[in-house]
Amino acid sequence: GQQVMQIPQYQHVQEGEDFTTYCNSSTTLSNIQWYKQRPGGHPVFLIQLVKSGEVKKQKRLTFQFGEAKKNSSLHITATQTTDVGTYFCAGLDTGRRALTFGSGTRLQVQP
Amino acid sequence: EAQVTQNPRYLITVTGKKLTVTCSQNMNHEYMSWYRQDPGLGLRQIYYSMNVEVTDKGDVPEGYKVSRKEKRNFPLILESPSPNQTSLYFCASSLRFGFSYEQYFGPGTRLTVT
Repeated sequence: GQQVMQIPQYQHVQEGEDFTTYCNSSTTLSNIQWYKQRPGGHPVFLIQLVKSGEVKKQKRLTFQFGEAKKNSSLHITATQTTDVGTYFCAGLDTGRRALTFGSGTRLQVQP
Repeated sequence: EAQVTQNPRYLITVTGKKLTVTCSQNMNHEYMSWYRQDPGLGLRQIYYSMNVEVTDKGDVPEGYKVSRKEKRNFPLILESPSPNQTSLYFCASSLRFGFSYEQYFGPGTRLTVT
């Protein structure tokens, strides 16, 4: 079945540094979604990418979908303490009618 | 307010004692799903439901049951809980399954089985 790997598992940065998490799928994805989970909270939808090579921005966050639609990345510019949390990518598996989540990247930001 | 609710939020129980975690959404969503979250493993789907009376297994269904008698409710049943079911559980819903439908998650239920 479809597998979605995410790296790194954990990253600790100083406030103001940049951060990137990468997501790789074993199969071609029809789309990819990104979620953020604050400590003690629940996953919250951030964005969806659909087209090959698509790039979307939300303020300091830049999301990219690979040309082959098998990988994706989330880049945060100049991290802030409010960025702390775990970021998950999720690929749509139409065969199983499910979102397959990556294992997540936990971001810690040192003030 | 549009939301997914779960009850209870925290539960400590003993091995073999049947329990039910309720999930309800007020957004008239067709698709509902249960996940468990364990450190280093991300979110793994337990069961999902495309609509009323239509349910199917996810990646880790062993030891769990679900039912979807009404559109808004999707309870998760553990008939005989075991310690390896200690986990954080999330219910989620979306308008439909498929393209461009984001999932809305409930607040989570932390279950400990001793």
